[in-house]
Parts: sequence; C-alpha cells; structure tokens
Amino acid sequence: DAKTTQPPSMDCAEGRAANLPCNHSTISGNEYVYWYRQIHSQGPQYIIHGLKNNETNEMASLIITEDRKSSTLILPHATLRDTAVYYCIVGSSNTGKLIFGQGTTLQVKP
Amino acid sequence: EAQVTQNPRYLITVTGKKLTVTCSQNMNHEYMSWYRQDPGLGLRQIYYSMNVEVTDKGDVPEGYKVSRKEKRNFPLILESPSPNQTSLYFCASSLWPSPVEQFFGPGTRLTVL
Repeated sequence: DAKTTQPPSMDCAEGRAANLPCNHSTISGNEYVYWYRQIHSQGPQYIIHGLKNNETNEMASLIITEDRKSSTLILPHATLRDTAVYYCIVGSSNTGKLIFGQGTTLQVKP
Repeated sequence: EAQVTQNPRYLITVTGKKLTVTCSQNMNHEYMSWYRQDPGLGLRQIYYSMNVEVTDKGDVPEGYKVSRKEKRNFPLILESPSPNQTSLYFCASSLWPSPVEQFFGPGTRLTVL
C-alpha cells in the first residue's frame, strides 16, 4: 500500500504557483520523499526528491516539514504543459522500488 | 539522447500465445524494473534487476518472467498470457546503488483477448 496521502485533484491558473501537498505520517528515518509526474499515459517523469531539507531544481521546489510527516511540491510558474498526475512517493534509496498511489491530478487552466 | 525504449508500443494478442516485450536503456544503468499500470491500482512493480544476472520479484510477478543477460536489456516475457494481464506496462532504469531518479520508458499497451 502507498504510504502517502494526496488530494485527488487540484486546479491552478496558468502562470501561478502550484502547491501540491502530501501527507506521509509513517515515514521512517531513512526514507526519502520522491515526486514523479505522469502526463496522459506516458512514462512517469522524475521531478525531485528530498530527505529532510528543502530542495530546489530547475523544475520545482520541495518543502518538507520539520517532523517529515508532510511535504509540498511547488511548481513556481505553472504552464498548461504541467497538467498531469503528480505522485508523491516515500521509499528507501536502498531498494529502488517506487510504490505509486493514486496521485493528484493537477489541471492548469488558462 | 539518454532514453529507455520499449517494443512493441501496442500489442493485441490472444490467450496463451507467448510474447516478449523488450526494454533497452542507453545510460549504462545497473538497475532496471518493470511496472504495470491499471485503472484504480496505480503502478505496481512486477520484477526488478540490480545488475546482470540478478533479478528479483516485485509485488505482482505471477505470470511473468524476466531475464538480464546484458546490462542494457531487460525483456519481460509472458509465457501464456491471460486477459487479466491486459495492462499498460512500463520499464524503468536507474543507477545502483542509490536509485534516486528512475527513467521510464514510453509504455507498452497490451491487450490479451
């Protein structure tokens, strides 16, 4: 079973920041938070990952709460091409297995 | 271009007719994996391989076989396909250890009649 809880859907206006929440209250000390997205039925695409600290890359920022029980993925300036299903995944970097839940369907609107 | 390729992309077959879905990556990744995606069930791991000649079962291995004779290739074999194997299949690869970023192929949509 997925170890994360995400809202099933969200809307965002084009050009605005999209903030996607994720709860992972049972995360253990050595587990990372990964975010992937899937556009239509294409292969999932890696976005970002983190352990404790906030992370930023060219695609997004990841904010992890101090107790690590929740996190937020931020797409700073959402475009129509960011419309996708976003998956928050918790897992150990030792196993390679990604347990995908149902994700959040983000709809970016003009 | 770094990529994972799968063939075929679409396949319609009949029950019991053996088939192979190929997966190849050009990134020299040690780790490769197969997932299936079904509505309401998300992506589930079928098999994975941490290196040549090293494979192990994922969460839903029944009815599937894999082999890893070369680093770049990881074929998925259905010896006797059944309709409940109708699904969208993805191959993925990454570095090992620390497989943080996994690269996924474009998917193979399989229909078993």
